[in-house]
Amino acid sequence: SQQGEEDPQALSIQEGENATMNCSYKTSINNLQWYRQNSGRGLVHLILIRSNEREKHSGRLRVTLDTSKKSSSLLITASRAADTASYFCATDDTGGFKTIFGAGTRLFVKA
Amino acid sequence: AAGVIQSPRHLIKEKRETATLKCYPISRHDTVYWYQQGPGQDPQFLISFYEKMQSDKGSIPDRFSAQQFSDYHSELNMSSLELGDSALYFCASSPTGIGSYNSPLHFGNGTRLTVT
Repeated sequence: SQQGEEDPQALSIQEGENATMNCSYKTSINNLQWYRQNSGRGLVHLILIRSNEREKHSGRLRVTLDTSKKSSSLLITASRAADTASYFCATDDTGGFKTIFGAGTRLFVKA
Repeated sequence: AAGVIQSPRHLIKEKRETATLKCYPISRHDTVYWYQQGPGQDPQFLISFYEKMQSDKGSIPDRFSAQQFSDYHSELNMSSLELGDSALYFCASSPTGIGSYNSPLHFGNGTRLTVT
């Protein structure tokens, strides 16, 4: 990965359970974003958290950011089968015009 | 509103051939990014353009070049294709004048390039 690691690489849960994915990064950042990707499709933006924010919510999504540890987590509550996808974190570093993606977590939600 | 449009959706080329991928960003988005994604891999940043000028460069091979035109659409040109170039190529756009600072990327559905 150009940026860092995501943990776990794959996650399988039952519908209704919560899913937590973690992401680490390497550089100083302006913001961290989470994206979702269905197989073979384009990535869809879920949520953006700025470097001066610690937690953000959007619907069933909760994102935390710890800049001292260079890490973030994405929590999806009350998961649904339709949440099955790959989830990527991505960072905009402070030095350039690029968004760098982590390795992704494959989430499988069983109905 | 129309999203990011990429063409073609699928492309099959032979080794050593050339390929041109096109990207039409969302209206009024002035920044375009190109990514390469191999099977089961994360998207790898290739190159970005802001206001028709190259703004940043990632792991783009010298065999590849790209540009952004006056209407903000972008083209990725790939020459001397190799088997390892087979991948999904995504274009994304964002609306801010300073790249993607605090603005998310809007992705197209990609071009699947197969090199045989």
